[in-house]
Amino acid sequence: AQSVTQPDIHITVSEGASLELRCNYSYGATPYLFWYVQSPGQGLQLLLKYFSGDTLVQGIKGFEAEFKRSQSSFNLRKPSVHWSDAAEYFCAVNMNRDDKIIFGKGTRLHILP
Amino acid sequence: SQTIHQWPATLVQPVGSPLSLECTVEGTSNPNLYWYRQAAGRGLQLLFYSVGIGQISSEVPQNLSASRPQDRQFILSSKKLLLSDSGFYLCAWTGPRNSPLHFGNGTRLTVT
Repeated sequence: AQSVTQPDIHITVSEGASLELRCNYSYGATPYLFWYVQSPGQGLQLLLKYFSGDTLVQGIKGFEAEFKRSQSSFNLRKPSVHWSDAAEYFCAVNMNRDDKIIFGKGTRLHILP
Repeated sequence: SQTIHQWPATLVQPVGSPLSLECTVEGTSNPNLYWYRQAAGRGLQLLFYSVGIGQISSEVPQNLSASRPQDRQFILSSKKLLLSDSGFYLCAWTGPRNSPLHFGNGTRLTVT
């Protein structure tokens, strides 16, 4: 069955430290891949997306993600986090054969001062 | 520009009552439309999606249903609500396949 897995429910990092949030998907072909962020009480904002081509994609707010076909992964990274990055992050996958879009369960990021 | 309207923002309904949540999109044609339910620790659960008028794909077998009577209108319904239907419901649309989702502001449903 098609699925999206974000194995880390909570992650805590210190301000200024690097960050990597994991996302794995299960699908028979290469899907379209997205990362969204949701700050407390806010809607979902698109951080970045991957369709094809260069497997390292740049997004807003200094985030980047790398698609690895062999690992069915699309991990989100940031070299140095800021306190304002504390939020919940969702990986999403468009199963492009039928435009079905499913989300992982999210990773809540906590920032230590 | 495109906008998405979802209403009501909050709703309190007794168990066994019917439900109708409406979502409309403006400024685009033939959007793909989605209903999600968001619960803490469960992410966004896809309930229904539609790639055209009258075309509904259901992802979760439960007492909810969806309809798309017009190109840019998507309705989530129930004949009899259960306590477990409480949650935050989000409508969303996309354009071409490589475009991201655009979300409505959501409906907070409490079934009492």
